[in-house]
Amino acid sequence: EDKVVQSPLSLVVHEGDTVTLNCSYEVTNFRSLLWYKQEKKAPTFLFMLTSSGIEKKSGRLSSILDKKELSSILNITATQTGDSAIYLCAVSFSSNTGKLIFGQGTTLQVKP
Amino acid sequence: DGGITQSPKYLFRKEGQNVTLSCEQNLNHDAMYWYRQDPGQGLRLIYYSQIVNDFQKGDIAEGYSVSREKKESFPLTVTSAQKNPTAFYLCASSIWDSDNEQFFGPGTRLTVL
Repeated sequence: EDKVVQSPLSLVVHEGDTVTLNCSYEVTNFRSLLWYKQEKKAPTFLFMLTSSGIEKKSGRLSSILDKKELSSILNITATQTGDSAIYLCAVSFSSNTGKLIFGQGTTLQVKP
Repeated sequence: DGGITQSPKYLFRKEGQNVTLSCEQNLNHDAMYWYRQDPGQGLRLIYYSQIVNDFQKGDIAEGYSVSREKKESFPLTVTSAQKNPTAFYLCASSIWDSDNEQFFGPGTRLTVL
């Protein structure tokens, strides 16, 4: 059975801290791994990773894929209260059905 | 403004009633998807559609039905057969032949009374 597992499920930090969120997957026909941020309603896209070892960066957020370990990490440096959200990891398939399988999400709370 | 709209934002249903959730997109995307989100469980796929007049079951299709008569619209009906329908429902769309970045609507929160 295809599955995506995120850890930790929840995390509380203070502003300025650095956090690392984890996503591991067991799927057949892996194509790409995606990270989304969900603040209150609609998840918004952060990164798509297809190649192992290549870091993607956007401001204080960065992510990297390790196909050998079947995992990805999302790093957030110098956290701010606006980073408080649910971070979702999803995996797509090379069979191109368009389906995504999501992990449970990591709920991040950044305290002032 | 291009995007995905869902309506209503909040919906209350009595047990035994069918309800239909609306999803419309003006992004000219081929594919559309319906997800259900429960606390601590991430998003689970209910149905998806790659083209007009065609759709496939996702992982939790039982108790739900969909139609895709127009490219822009993908309504979801939650039937009385769905045993535990109280949840947050998200609609998404994407370009079909892409690396599957999906764009999400704002969601509908359904509560069964």
